[in-house]
Amino acid sequence: KQEVTQIPAALSVPEGENLVLNCSFTDSAIYNLQWFRQDPGKGLTSLLLIQSSQREQTSGRLNASLDKSSGRSTLYIAASQPGDSATYLCAVLLGGAQKLVFGQGTRLTINP
Amino acid sequence: DAGVTQSPTHLIKTRGQQVTLRCSPKSGHDTVSWYQQALGQGPQFIFQYYEEEERQRGNFPDRFSGHQFPNYSSELNVNALLLGDSALYLCASSFAGGIVSSPLHFGNGTRLTVT
Repeated sequence: KQEVTQIPAALSVPEGENLVLNCSFTDSAIYNLQWFRQDPGKGLTSLLLIQSSQREQTSGRLNASLDKSSGRSTLYIAASQPGDSATYLCAVLLGGAQKLVFGQGTRLTINP
Repeated sequence: DAGVTQSPTHLIKTRGQQVTLRCSPKSGHDTVSWYQQALGQGPQFIFQYYEEEERQRGNFPDRFSGHQFPNYSSELNVNALLLGDSALYLCASSFAGGIVSSPLHFGNGTRLTVT
């Protein structure tokens, strides 16, 4: 059974810092890995999607890496801003019926 | 181009009642998945519909059922509501088209409160 773990559960940093969020998964047989952002009470916004054959993806200040063999992914946020405050979720896509398995998320607070 | 839309946005029900949630997929998408997100947790997969059939199901009881219509929209029905069914219910759509790893797009969810 695929399990996804995110560490830390919560993180608070001052504005302007670079930071790393971690995600680990137990089964390397995945099709892709996605990082999502979720604002309180809202739906999910996809940030980055890394296919299983890729090592990393970049979008603006965000960079996500994937190491399938070790079952790890990281989301790097550069020059953090208060608007980055949200919960960040990682999810792996299992084959067959496009089923996503999510971690519990990291609640990020950027302090002005 | 409208994304995934869900209705209603909020719903309050009493234990034992039944509820129906609705989802319209993103234009061009033919597959709809439903997820339940309890407070402070990651979303959990309920089931997925493709070509009007349930294609895969997560670890949820038969009280949770669904339907997909010919226009690809979908409904999630929950019978005999329990307090533990209180959660944010998220709908995600994607295009099957033989591509397993096409991106999923999520709606803003329906917040269900069971009292």
